[in-house]
Amino acid sequence: DTAVSQTPKYLVTQMGNDKSIKCEQNLGHDTMYWYKQDSKKFLKIMFSYNNKELIINETVPNRFSPKSPDKAHLNLHINSLELGDSAVYFCASSQNQQTYEQYFGPGTRLTVT
Amino acid sequence: QQPVQSPQAVILREGEDAVINCSSSKALYSVHWYRQKHGEAPVFLMILLKGGEQKGHEKISASFNEKKQQSSLYLTASQLSYSGTYFCGGGGTSYGKLTFGQGTILTVHP
Repeated sequence: DTAVSQTPKYLVTQMGNDKSIKCEQNLGHDTMYWYKQDSKKFLKIMFSYNNKELIINETVPNRFSPKSPDKAHLNLHINSLELGDSAVYFCASSQNQQTYEQYFGPGTRLTVT
Repeated sequence: QQPVQSPQAVILREGEDAVINCSSSKALYSVHWYRQKHGEAPVFLMILLKGGEQKGHEKISASFNEKKQQSSLYLTASQLSYSGTYFCGGGGTSYGKLTFGQGTILTVHP
């Protein structure tokens, strides 16, 4: 059974398009995260939700909009894609805000051409 | 500001030991270690909390010097499966928010 899953695994699109990445966790966790890993492998947090409430919102362009319909799902919508958005996006979850162990999804490799 | 890891890369033969260091310029309340194999997701290894508490589910040891804001990950008798990129993550006052270092690439050869 997959603990944290993401779709799609690969996403190739053109500049200016709008795309979404979906994440689901079946661990019963309360907290979910989005990370961006760039070509230099730098892993940076973007957003975090706890029980559907946004708790971490890093300095991310407002073209990126997360949405959590329920605590098991966290989606990421990106408007007007730019070349610099190309990266691997990881979803992660943890039991709650006070639990430090985070479980990462397999990642979505986004390529903007 | 992200923690700084050293070395950037290390190459070992099976059975050799390695130490990866992580240093932060700001106060940390916890240090977290993750390993990421090529093309895969990061996997939790260890957490060290302020006050000395440690939690982990692999046979890997680590230390956290709160005064110096430094942590070290000790990999002993390395195995081929240890290969990957190791990240330290600094935990601040906001629970759950981790600021990761740039990573250390560990390669273990037979």
